[in-house]
Amino acid sequence: GAGVSQTPSNKVTEKGKYVELRCDPISGHTALYWYRQSLGQGPEFLIYFQGTGAADDSGLPNDRFFAVRPEGSVSTLKIQRTERGDSAVYLCASSLNLAGGEQFFGPGTRLTVL
Amino acid sequence: SQQGEEDPQALSIQEGENATMNCSYKTSINNLQWYRQNSGRGLVHLILIRSNEREKHSGRLRVTLDTSKKSSSLLITASRAADTASYFCATDAYGNNRLAFGKGNQVVVIP
Repeated sequence: GAGVSQTPSNKVTEKGKYVELRCDPISGHTALYWYRQSLGQGPEFLIYFQGTGAADDSGLPNDRFFAVRPEGSVSTLKIQRTERGDSAVYLCASSLNLAGGEQFFGPGTRLTVL
Repeated sequence: SQQGEEDPQALSIQEGENATMNCSYKTSINNLQWYRQNSGRGLVHLILIRSNEREKHSGRLRVTLDTSKKSSSLLITASRAADTASYFCATDAYGNNRLAFGKGNQVVVIP
């Protein structure tokens, strides 16, 4: 079956612009997670959803970052007024539920802010 | 924040040898997971060990967990060139699958 997909795979933008990153989780997975990975580091948690609601958004670095999951499936991570420090690979993962277990990761979106 | 810390961070071995890497963490956990990442992109789940377990096997992988020392080890036996990757440990402190990853171990298996 299809895994987690993310679009675009690469995004280059200019400082100050707005970007949207999309994640399509595995069908039937109620939990969805966003992580950010900088070069040479492990992924860093940003936010997770259970269904449509953000269960924990405490990992979002500031109010320029926002994520939605309006129908409990596809999620969009939105970054306003991008800064060069936002450059990273943004990873999305989904799991069957929040009970603890394997997370299935997408290939990531590499964001470059010039 | 990054909770797990892997040691060593870079390992180069010959095909057929065993590779061992360690991970330490700071707080109580619900479970600890190991992931593999190729080419800096998507991660693949390898194995999960719960806080009440001490050892777990999956194929050529063996994971141990010592909650008193807050540490875990991952052993890959009879390594293959295809095992070349970065390996991350990740802890779930709250049982909600919010994972805190370490910085990763880069393993190179030389054919």
